[in-house]
Amino acid sequence: DGGITQSPKYLFRKEGQNVTLSCEQNLNHDAMYWYRQDPGQGLRLIYYSQIVNDFQKGDIAEGYSVSREKKESFPLTVTSAQKNPTAFYLCASSIVPNEQFFGPGTRLTVL
Amino acid sequence: GDSVTQMEGPVTLSEEAFLTINCTYTATGYPSLFWYVQYPGEGLQLLLKATKADDKGSNKGFEATYRKETTSFHLEKGSVQVSDSAVYFCALSSGGSYIPTFGRGTSLIVHP
Repeated sequence: DGGITQSPKYLFRKEGQNVTLSCEQNLNHDAMYWYRQDPGQGLRLIYYSQIVNDFQKGDIAEGYSVSREKKESFPLTVTSAQKNPTAFYLCASSIVPNEQFFGPGTRLTVL
Repeated sequence: GDSVTQMEGPVTLSEEAFLTINCTYTATGYPSLFWYVQYPGEGLQLLLKATKADDKGSNKGFEATYRKETTSFHLEKGSVQVSDSAVYFCALSSGGSYIPTFGRGTSLIVHP
């Protein structure tokens, strides 16, 4: 079955630590996205990528970094510069301008 | 720029009640319109979509009609179930942009 996987489902970060969230898709989509969702809030775009080896900042990119070395993979690193990283992180992919396909999400908690 | 406005939640209904969640949009050109559903602790799933004016999207008893004259895409269901309790997001995608625009989401709570 085609789809998007995210791992891990739950992640805990200590102060000053960088952590990486995995996102993999086998839908052959060119575009991939990372969103952050806080309790009771909508989606906020962190980064997006239209094609391999290219990506652009979204609305809240500070404290995050990404890479797009392969079409099927778009990992997100939450750096120590992100002061309030506790949130639910969603990865998505699409064939623009059609619907987005979302992964199951990673819940990140700062200890 | 593009924008999507959804009614504030939560919307609280009894089982078998009629559901309407309002969604209006502002966009240049002729966007595609979507409704997504998010169950607790999960990612979003596409519920239905419409790609041109007067199209009706439907799925699992939910319906929405693309109304260009009122720039609306209201979600309706004739008889909700407890299992429909979730957050519903209205969204649009304009042809020239890689970034879709999402509404803030509307929480639906259905009581037995």
